[in-house]
Amino acid sequence: DTAVSQTPKYLVTQMGNDKSIKCEQNLGHDTMYWYKQDSKKFLKIMFSYNNKELIINETVPNRFSPKSPDKAHLNLHINSLELGDSAVYFCASSQEPGAGNNEQFFGPGTRLTVL
Amino acid sequence: GDSVTQMEGPVTLSEEAFLTINCTYTATGYPSLFWYVQYPGEGLQLLLKATKADDKGSNKGFEATYRKETTSFHLEKGSVQVSDSAVYFCALRGAGGYNKLIFGAGTRLAVHP
Repeated sequence: DTAVSQTPKYLVTQMGNDKSIKCEQNLGHDTMYWYKQDSKKFLKIMFSYNNKELIINETVPNRFSPKSPDKAHLNLHINSLELGDSAVYFCASSQEPGAGNNEQFFGPGTRLTVL
Repeated sequence: GDSVTQMEGPVTLSEEAFLTINCTYTATGYPSLFWYVQYPGEGLQLLLKATKADDKGSNKGFEATYRKETTSFHLEKGSVQVSDSAVYFCALRGAGGYNKLIFGAGTRLAVHP
């Protein structure tokens, strides 16, 4: 009955590889997000989708491409991985931005290590 | 742009001590303010929030008051427990829509018996 789930939990890969992280929410929310938490615990938003439409796109290299096949899923694909991509990636979801209660619920995180 | 500044950690306290973690913000308009907590190995959980000036958010013994005049939202707890050991994040949601959260750098709290 996990609300926001991510797979995998850990991902270790070589520089230059392409990898994907998957996120699913069963809360019936319309909006989903990806955040990156670096080694110093600093947390920053990367993307947000509302009803499968991109609404937030921060200054992120275009090697990162989010994909939302439906409202319950937001996957993150990363091409040509670099050492600096090593971080913990959190998915979150909420009701749509204009909703009265749009608290964001976070997944458990995916720790990506690029060697 | 909007930003959040938190006191640097780690904060180390003995059980039952009083806790204050300072948070100040810079934002246009009237943001909503939040405290999130991250326990070891877990994702973030909303701890409390305040949506307008002078509002007090409270949960699990933690409190924070939205002070517009000092642009602050300090987190307090009267008596901490070992189980409160975690990283605490102050965040704001600007008035511009899209539910975009801007986080502070996080403050690690370690409580010892």
